Amino acid sequence: NAGVTQTPKFQVLKTGQSMTLQCAQDMNHNSMYWYRQDPGMGLRLIYYSASEGTTDKGEVPNGYNVSRLNKREFSLRLESAAPSQTSVYFCASSGMTGGDGYTFGSGTRLTVV
Amino acid sequence: RKEVEQDPGPFNVPEGATVAFNCTYSNSASQSFFWYRQDCRKEPKLLMSVYSSGNEDGRFTAQLNRASQYISLLIRDSKLSDSATYLCVVRGTDKLIFGTGTRLQVFP
Repeated sequence: NAGVTQTPKFQVLKTGQSMTLQCAQDMNHNSMYWYRQDPGMGLRLIYYSASEGTTDKGEVPNGYNVSRLNKREFSLRLESAAPSQTSVYFCASSGMTGGDGYTFGSGTRLTVV
Repeated sequence: RKEVEQDPGPFNVPEGATVAFNCTYSNSASQSFFWYRQDCRKEPKLLMSVYSSGNEDGRFTAQLNRASQYISLLIRDSKLSDSATYLCVVRGTDKLIFGTGTRLQVFP
């Protein structure tokens, strides 16, 4: 099925460990996004990529890095995980920057202990 | 002030009821508006776009009031399956801005 695929679905890290969240879309979308969602805070944009080769900071970029590897893939890296990064992470894509119909991946539930 | 504000709810309504959610946005230059639905522990999914003239999709009606900068969603004849969180979304310069959501619980 066409869509956005995120891996892993669940992850537990120890403080200070690093990891990369993977995201791939097969809809030939130009724009891709990483959000985190915390109770009472809604979806907050971490980083986005308007097109292949570009990345920009969102609302909460500190502690994260991203790579737009190609048009399909957009990864999110935590270099040194902290308990404050415990959250649900969603990747999304759209055909045009900020355009209609974001398609979201099913999410990664990350716990940092 | 948040860019998009919603009443978090929860709204607890019986099956068959009509329920309305409102949302306000701060940027008067915003041009595109949406409602997304998010089920518990799932990803958000586009429910419907919101057009200036108002639009309807089955039991769902969306309205936009540009002068007051608010958006509404009306759900008629509520079903148990409508239980979810409804996110008000506004298009920013190059990304969508999501409200924190209004939770709806429909009971038998």
